[in-house]
Amino acid sequence: AQSVTQLDSHVSVSEGTPVLLRCNYSSSYSPSLFWYVQHPNKGLQLLLKYTSAATLVKGINGFEAEFKKSETSFHLTKPSAHMSDAAEYFCVVSSNTGGFKTIFGAGTRLFVKA
Amino acid sequence: SQTIHQWPATLVQPVGSPLSLECTVEGTSNPNLYWYRQAAGRGLQLLFYSVGIGQISSEVPQNLSASRPQDRQFILSSKKLLLSDSGFYLCAWTETEGYTIYFGEGSWLTVV
Repeated sequence: AQSVTQLDSHVSVSEGTPVLLRCNYSSSYSPSLFWYVQHPNKGLQLLLKYTSAATLVKGINGFEAEFKKSETSFHLTKPSAHMSDAAEYFCVVSSNTGGFKTIFGAGTRLFVKA
Repeated sequence: SQTIHQWPATLVQPVGSPLSLECTVEGTSNPNLYWYRQAAGRGLQLLFYSVGIGQISSEVPQNLSASRPQDRQFILSSKKLLLSDSGFYLCAWTETEGYTIYFGEGSWLTVV
């Protein structure tokens, strides 16, 4: 069985400070993991993905995430937040369990204060 | 490169009226296609997915239906809308053997 848990429903940071959005997953198979960003009234945009290559994955807009199998985590980070980073972020796990199965996290709303 | 188009972007419909949302994908062949719904302040709910023309799987019993008349076209329909059908609808695609999901821009449906 697969599951994904985003540990914070809301995160608030000041502009220029680091961002940490936490995601834990559970999967009986070798999973692929993704982070998506959704700005208001927009579709989901792929930020980055892990598919069993390098465990530190770099994405767009300065974001990166590290796959830690021992901790079953895939946290999203950014060294310095920008006002334009304010959005909803979704952690996603997917694997081939006799058919592709994709599970979305509940989302984390990121607020960036000036 | 591949692109996905979804329309209309916004729609206000009275209760009991029909619905048709359309989605097309360009630049790829035989994609897997998906319809998701995102209610206000909530996560994504998979409604339908399709692995080929005429092949539709429903994840949630509801007032909606989906069709795939062409390889890269996916349509979400309803004969009679309910208030509870309001929400943000997202079309998405993956490659046949791919994990990465690519989303359209979404369609806001308000049933009044």
